[in-house]
Amino acid sequence: EVQLVESGGGLVQPGGSLRLSCVASGFTVSSHYMSWVRQAPGKGLEWVSGIYSGGNTYYAESVKGRFTISRDKSKNTLYLQMNSLRVEDTAVHYCARAQSGVSPFDMWGQGTMVTVSS
Amino acid sequence: DIQMTQSPATLSASVGDRVTITCRASQSINSWLAWYQQKPGKAPKLLIYQASSLESGVSSRFSGSASGTEFILTISSLQPDDFATYYCQQYNNYWTFGQGTKVEIK
Repeated sequence: EVQLVESGGGLVQPGGSLRLSCVASGFTVSSHYMSWVRQAPGKGLEWVSGIYSGGNTYYAESVKGRFTISRDKSKNTLYLQMNSLRVEDTAVHYCARAQSGVSPFDMWGQGTMVTVSS
Repeated sequence: DIQMTQSPATLSASVGDRVTITCRASQSINSWLAWYQQKPGKAPKLLIYQASSLESGVSSRFSGSASGTEFILTISSLQPDDFATYYCQQYNNYWTFGQGTKVEIK
């Protein structure tokens, strides 16, 4: 079955760190354009970060310098390392797949909740 | 950065109604525009890509159109399963979403 499954969310204090994982089945992560998209409670969707098949990485201004996207070919897994977390980073975080740099997201994971609170 | 302005924020409609949602891009996006449907607690689902192409498996009552930097999602005859929130997204330069339109029961 072709799917994405996220994990790693949880409760963390402001200034803390968390690493999200997204395991892919049925396709190869490194052959696609993978992204993280988040959704704060009751709010809309926000693209956070992406990694192209060639390895180039991109970030929204809101997370640049704090978050790092990466992938592990052997585990067919996408990661998001989140440092210096802020209350406003509280959101459901989804991983999503695009077929190319000019493609929509044709597959999404179920999401993992990150809560930043003291 | 490309901004996407979606309207209305909320839309009240009845089963069988024809519904339209508008999305405007702050600059040309060359029809690299998608529409998604999201239900509470679920991930978004791709409905339309490249402004007017229907994703495989999506009902033909959904359609998309474009005129310059204005894009429209039309639901020809609203069904009970269509009450949800809809988002537009540009993918010409990275990815940016509109603010969303909640379609609720009138």
